[in-house]
Amino acid sequence: AQSVTQPDIHITVSEGASLELRCNYSYGATPYLFWYVQSPGQGLQLLLKYFSGDTLVQGIKGFEAEFKRSQSSFNLRKPSVHWSDAAEYFCAVGARYSTDSWGKLQFGAGTQVVVTP
Amino acid sequence: DVKVTQSSRYLVKRTGEKVFLECVQDMDHENMFWYRQDPGLGLRLIYFSYDVKMKEKGDIPEGYSVSREKKERFSLILESASTNQTSMYLCASSFPGGATDTQYFGPGTRLTVL
Repeated sequence: AQSVTQPDIHITVSEGASLELRCNYSYGATPYLFWYVQSPGQGLQLLLKYFSGDTLVQGIKGFEAEFKRSQSSFNLRKPSVHWSDAAEYFCAVGARYSTDSWGKLQFGAGTQVVVTP
Repeated sequence: DVKVTQSSRYLVKRTGEKVFLECVQDMDHENMFWYRQDPGLGLRLIYFSYDVKMKEKGDIPEGYSVSREKKERFSLILESASTNQTSMYLCASSFPGGATDTQYFGPGTRLTVL
């Protein structure tokens, strides 16, 4: 069964500093990996996704993530954080679409990011 | 842009009431999903549907049912609401297959059961 672990429940970062959010997954085959962001009171917005190919993926809002198969990780990074990046971030893993997977995703518990002035 | 809308942002119900949460998507997506979100637990899948009138249980279906009579609309039903169903409910939709297999989410309904 697939699973996702986000080891950090809460991260505080200063505005302008770099940010890295960790995501580890457990999955038997090649995973589809996603990062979503949820601003307060809002639904989830897709930041980026990895299906295949280049293991460094660029997303929206200046975020990037790197897929490392050997470490079963898909960490999210941003070089310089803005106050508007304060939100909750979710990593998710899925499988290639089939009548078994149906495109379902397994989500991590989330990491809350607080940005200080 | 894909748009997923949910009928209410906030809802307050009493224990034992029947509750309907509705979700509508405008992108002709085959797949629709209902999740509940609780602090420290992330999103957990309640039910999903891969076609009209088709539904499958997710990880936590107990106490819930769903209905999908039209492709664009997916309803979550709490037959007899209980306090432990107080939560944020998120609906999502996706087009199946390949690189487009991305779920798009609605804004959520925060349900309080008193």
